Amino acid sequence: DGGITQSPKYLFRKEGQNVTLSCEQNLNHDAMYWYRQDPGQGLRLIYYSQIVNDFQKGDIAEGYSVSREKKESFPLTVTSAQKNPTAFYLCASSINIAYEQYFGPGTRLTVT
Amino acid sequence: RKEVEQDPGPFNVPEGATVAFNCTYSNSASQSFFWYRQDCRKEPKLLMSVYSSGNEDGRFTAQLNRASQYISLLIRDSKLSDSATYLCAVNRPQGAQKLVFGQGTRLTINP
Repeated sequence: DGGITQSPKYLFRKEGQNVTLSCEQNLNHDAMYWYRQDPGQGLRLIYYSQIVNDFQKGDIAEGYSVSREKKESFPLTVTSAQKNPTAFYLCASSINIAYEQYFGPGTRLTVT
Repeated sequence: RKEVEQDPGPFNVPEGATVAFNCTYSNSASQSFFWYRQDCRKEPKLLMSVYSSGNEDGRFTAQLNRASQYISLLIRDSKLSDSATYLCAVNRPQGAQKLVFGQGTRLTINP
């Protein structure tokens, strides 16, 4: 089955800890993205990557970091510098940057 | 003006009704347009792309109005299962051309 997987579905962390969210796709898509969604809000772009070993900041990159060492994988690290990390994190991919995006099931992160 | 704007709703309509919502975009050079559906606490799922000539998929019709810079989604004979939040996405035509998403329009179909 082709698709995008994110793990874990739910994640709980203590304040001050870094946490890494996994995103894997087997769609052979070049572009991958991370979004954050807060209750009742739209999607806000954190980081995106158009090709392997390259990534760009989105609109709210502060307190986050990413890597793109493989085409299939685009992990997101939420660092302790992110002031309000509790949110629903969505990973997406697309054939190319302006094409339709397909989303993974998301990870709900709660930091207390 | 926001790059992509939607009426957040909520829209409450009876089952069987026809409902339409719009999504306005600020950049006239945008070329790619999409509608997504998002159920509560789930990921957005692609509903349909929006083509210049308009397109239809069953009860759903999407249209593009370049002159007024908006796209629309029409749902005919609405079902209870159509209750969801509908997000539009438009490409940003400068730089990396990535998609920009609207805030979403919440739709509830009532029995």
